[in-house]
Amino acid sequence: GQQVMQIPQYQHVQEGEDFTTYCNSSTTLSNIQWYKQRPGGHPVFLIQLVKSGEVKKQKRLTFQFGEAKKNSSLHITATQTTDVGTYFCAGPGGSNYQLIWGAGTKLIIKP
Amino acid sequence: DAGVIQSPRHEVTEMGQEVTLRCKPISGHNSLFWYRQTMMRGLELLIYFNNNVPIDDSGMPEDRFSAKMPNASFSTLKIQPSEPRDSAVYFCASSSAPGGNQPQHFGDGTRLSIL
Repeated sequence: GQQVMQIPQYQHVQEGEDFTTYCNSSTTLSNIQWYKQRPGGHPVFLIQLVKSGEVKKQKRLTFQFGEAKKNSSLHITATQTTDVGTYFCAGPGGSNYQLIWGAGTKLIIKP
Repeated sequence: DAGVIQSPRHEVTEMGQEVTLRCKPISGHNSLFWYRQTMMRGLELLIYFNNNVPIDDSGMPEDRFSAKMPNASFSTLKIQPSEPRDSAVYFCASSSAPGGNQPQHFGDGTRLSIL
């Protein structure tokens, strides 16, 4: 069945360093969505990418959708403690009624 | 605007007891999802409703789990009888359209512990 693979599973960074998570789908996606889940919280929608090659920015966060619409990335510049959490990508399932979720990348700030 | 509202926030009960989780989706959203999240298995879709009708319940673990949506503003997930392996965080999410093409909005979740 359709899969969305996300790497890495964890990333430890010093505050101020950059962070990147990558998402790959086994099939072409009509769109890809990114969510953030703070520790003890619930997934919160960040952004949706629709177009091939699309790049969107939210302050220090940069989201990219691949030309083939099968991969995506989230890059955070100069991480801050408020960025801590797990970042998930998700894309539509074959029937388009549900999201297929990546396993998430946990961002950990080293003390 | 009110988001997705779930209750209770926490539930601790003994195995064998019936557990009922409740969800009020965002007004106007016609798609509702129940998820379960654990460290081992991540985020799992249990069941999806569209316009109050269950569309896919293939993620429901077994017959001990059941879900209903009697109207557009209320849904329940019931576990009877509960078992320790059901311990997890259960999220309800709603969307303005079939979830693949529109964002999903999650409730705060119910943290369920079965002793």
